[in-house]
Amino acid sequence: SAVISQKPSRDICQRGTSLTIQCQVDSQVTMMFWYRQQPGQSLTLIATANQGSEATYESGFVIDKFPISRPNLTFSTLTVSNMSPEDSSIYLCSVAADPATNEKLFFGSGTQLSVL
Amino acid sequence: KQEVTQIPAALSVPEGENLVLNCSFTDSAIYNLQWFRQDPGKGLTSLLLIQSSQREQTSGRLNASLDKSSGRSTLYIAASQPGDSATYLCAVNRDDKIIFGKGTRLHILP
Repeated sequence: SAVISQKPSRDICQRGTSLTIQCQVDSQVTMMFWYRQQPGQSLTLIATANQGSEATYESGFVIDKFPISRPNLTFSTLTVSNMSPEDSSIYLCSVAADPATNEKLFFGSGTQLSVL
Repeated sequence: KQEVTQIPAALSVPEGENLVLNCSFTDSAIYNLQWFRQDPGKGLTSLLLIQSSQREQTSGRLNASLDKSSGRSTLYIAASQPGDSATYLCAVNRDDKIIFGKGTRLHILP
């Protein structure tokens, strides 16, 4: 199993500002995943963060809006830039126990973001 | 395009009852299916993982079944308790893409 520490757990931000979310894993992992969960919706994958290379973004998400860092095999950050009320969501980081098959996903506790 | 649907969206049952949550998916060519629990405002906790070659998995009072050919999975919770109140999500894994359903909000009445 993997233990993921995510912070902050929640924040209230002003429109136009940026927030950086951090995820720390207790073991080395190849890929880390960032998800968004809008109110009443399912989880949507934002991007996959690989150590030593640029993140791979899903359709509808761009690096300028959601820059990601992955400086080593245990840590990643997601920044939500130039926020608007539509960015109010829960943001979650995740790792897979088996990177070859993405089996057994483990999640951080989530960051509940409210944008005023 | 894979779509995952969970019915019902919300469910309230008295404590002690057995219950079934449903998950359906449109593309049967999946690697595995996973059930998660999410408490309000929190992250997800993995409950059960079923490989595509398996038909069911059990953990304590939880039993998950998988019928790939019909694109269905069920999560059976026996002898429900108030602590089971949470949102339950299923997710299917295909081609390194994991697609989540919207979840079923379960409320166990004391």
